[in-house]
Amino acid sequence: DADVTQTPRNRITKTGKRIMLECSQTKGHDRMYWYRQDPGLGLRLIYYSFDVKDINKGEISDGYSVSRQAQAKFSLSLESAIPNQTALYFCATSGNRGGYEKLFFGSGTQLSVL
Amino acid sequence: GESVGLHLPTLSVQEGDNSIINCAYSNSASDYFIWYKQESGKGPQFIIDIRSNMDKRQGQRVTVLLNKTVKHLSLQIAATQPGDSAVYFCAETAGYSTLTFGKGTMLLVSP
Repeated sequence: DADVTQTPRNRITKTGKRIMLECSQTKGHDRMYWYRQDPGLGLRLIYYSFDVKDINKGEISDGYSVSRQAQAKFSLSLESAIPNQTALYFCATSGNRGGYEKLFFGSGTQLSVL
Repeated sequence: GESVGLHLPTLSVQEGDNSIINCAYSNSASDYFIWYKQESGKGPQFIIDIRSNMDKRQGQRVTVLLNKTVKHLSLQIAATQPGDSAVYFCAETAGYSTLTFGKGTMLLVSP
């Protein structure tokens, strides 16, 4: 079983719809992250959370929101999806408290907004 | 800022050759660096890391070289195999902050 599980793996939605991407982990890590990957642009950080009560904006948080429901669960929401949010989304975890990050990634969610 | 195209830099090698993938970084305060491998349809996987107090670190068939003077990082893969075909990302951080990823290089290994 995967240590970092993302659901769904693929999603097609329409402009203006609300959508939620979910991530759960069995690694026991405190830190969780949401990244977006676009062709030729690498991975860009959307939001991250160092524990259940901690939420931080990343490089490209506009148009997104997150919820850390439990240590093991971190969801990403698009309140009103737009076509330029079509991308591959990755959840990641890290167990390094107060040290350098070594991220463990899920398999990704391919989102298409029509 | 620099415009970004849709096409990744690509390195094509023959099976058995050694591969060198390069990465330039801009933050002179960066003190920790990681290389990730991303195969098609999968999330990035950790390969090797290095701290700024080192200039070389070796793993199994991989070596990372760090030149802080010119802010350059490289990943060397010995005896490249078809299974090494993937996109490779470097990432950096300064002072335990979040990682900043490069745009990636595609490695194509032909038999």
